[in-house]
Amino acid sequence: GAGVSQSPRYKVAKRGQDVALRCDPISGHVSLFWYQQALGQGPEFLTYFQNEAQLDKSGLPSDRFFAERPEGSVSTLKIQRTQQEDSAVYLCASSLATYQKAFFGQGTRLTVV
Amino acid sequence: EDQVTQSPEALRLQEGESSSLNCSYTVSGLRGLFWYRQDPGKGPEFLFTLYSAGEEKEKERLKATLTKKESFLHITAPKPEDSATYLCAVPLRNDMRFGAGTRLTVKP
Repeated sequence: GAGVSQSPRYKVAKRGQDVALRCDPISGHVSLFWYQQALGQGPEFLTYFQNEAQLDKSGLPSDRFFAERPEGSVSTLKIQRTQQEDSAVYLCASSLATYQKAFFGQGTRLTVV
Repeated sequence: EDQVTQSPEALRLQEGESSSLNCSYTVSGLRGLFWYRQDPGKGPEFLFTLYSAGEEKEKERLKATLTKKESFLHITAPKPEDSATYLCAVPLRNDMRFGAGTRLTVKP
């Protein structure tokens, strides 16, 4: 596709529900990142993939958060047993390689009620 | 600790009133400094990459400069459509460390 695509754009989840957020990166981009952005803040790093390998997951806030990119393209961020503090915008970005400019998707706004 | 700090948090300008946004960083072994623009409800959009002190890049009314400790985003004669949040970021080992952003409002 022409850009990074994320779905759904908006998600409302009841506390305790599991959610899955999808990211379609730009074709051929090796690097894929997930970020969490709270209102009025910059994006905070969650995890990084190089092709299908998850090289860094140091930013995942708890073991309820899990990300995968099984074929080195589409990625899914899963949050189990959602809590109110998980409410945020989740951004996906991809780049050709490490240290190159990243292209961001529109984000998924998650609201946990 | 690697840090990126942006100032001011918010800036209100009149159309045509030039100003500068600041991004200071403490990162060992800088591998570039990135500027992004973010509109409400959208993901950040890439503006510039700067790699070495003294480097400058321009795009329309925006000019980015880099020193060894900070970067400036100069906005010349801004227009209302320049209103957005401007983010700077530096790449670390596996991720991009972002500042909190400067929210710019340009009034007609």
